[in-house]
Amino acid sequence: GENVEQHPSTLSVQEGDSAVIKCTYSDSASNYFPWYKQELGKRPQLIIDIRSNVGEKKDQRIAVTLNKTAKHFSLHITETQPEDSAVYFCAASTTSMDSNYQLIWGAGTKLIIKP
Amino acid sequence: DAGVTQSPTHLIKTRGQQVTLRCSPISGHKSVSWYQQVLGQGPQFIFQYYEKEERGRGNFPDRFSARQFPNYSSELNVNALLLGDSALYLCASSPRASGGSNSYEQYFGPGTRLTVT
Repeated sequence: GENVEQHPSTLSVQEGDSAVIKCTYSDSASNYFPWYKQELGKRPQLIIDIRSNVGEKKDQRIAVTLNKTAKHFSLHITETQPEDSAVYFCAASTTSMDSNYQLIWGAGTKLIIKP
Repeated sequence: DAGVTQSPTHLIKTRGQQVTLRCSPISGHKSVSWYQQVLGQGPQFIFQYYEKEERGRGNFPDRFSARQFPNYSSELNVNALLLGDSALYLCASSPRASGGSNSYEQYFGPGTRLTVT
């Protein structure tokens, strides 16, 4: 089955700097890769996702890149702000109608933005 | 628009008891998934239901069961509770409509925090 590994487990960056979180996956059939942000005691919130037919997607200060050959994808946050502090999870899934769209999650990265 | 709702918010049970957790998906969403999130870890997939049928099951014992109703709401049942079942139980809904570009995006409810003593 699918396995998703996420690094680093903790990332501390200066406010205004960039942050990069990396994930690798094992199942070449996976074709949907969302990123979730979870603040303490709250639900995971979808912040950006990418499908396997594109290599990069941007949304304001957030971008995700996907390398299907190497089976890894990354989250990039530029101009970090204090409100970016949270735990970030990557996930992978297949999206064929025969599949169950089961999300397999990474272990999470605690992002700390230092003022 | 109302998001995914879950009830109850918090629950305390003792070992051996049974618990039922409830989830109402976003209006128009036909798929509901259940996840268990232990403190400090990522969510673990338990079940997915689509059109009232089980479409996927994670690596959880038979003490865990679920169902989806005609209005697409869902219940998760856990029997013979163990201390290790203490966790945040998350429900996620998605449209899962064929051909839709957003059909597999999953949106989470606030969760039910279950404490087993």
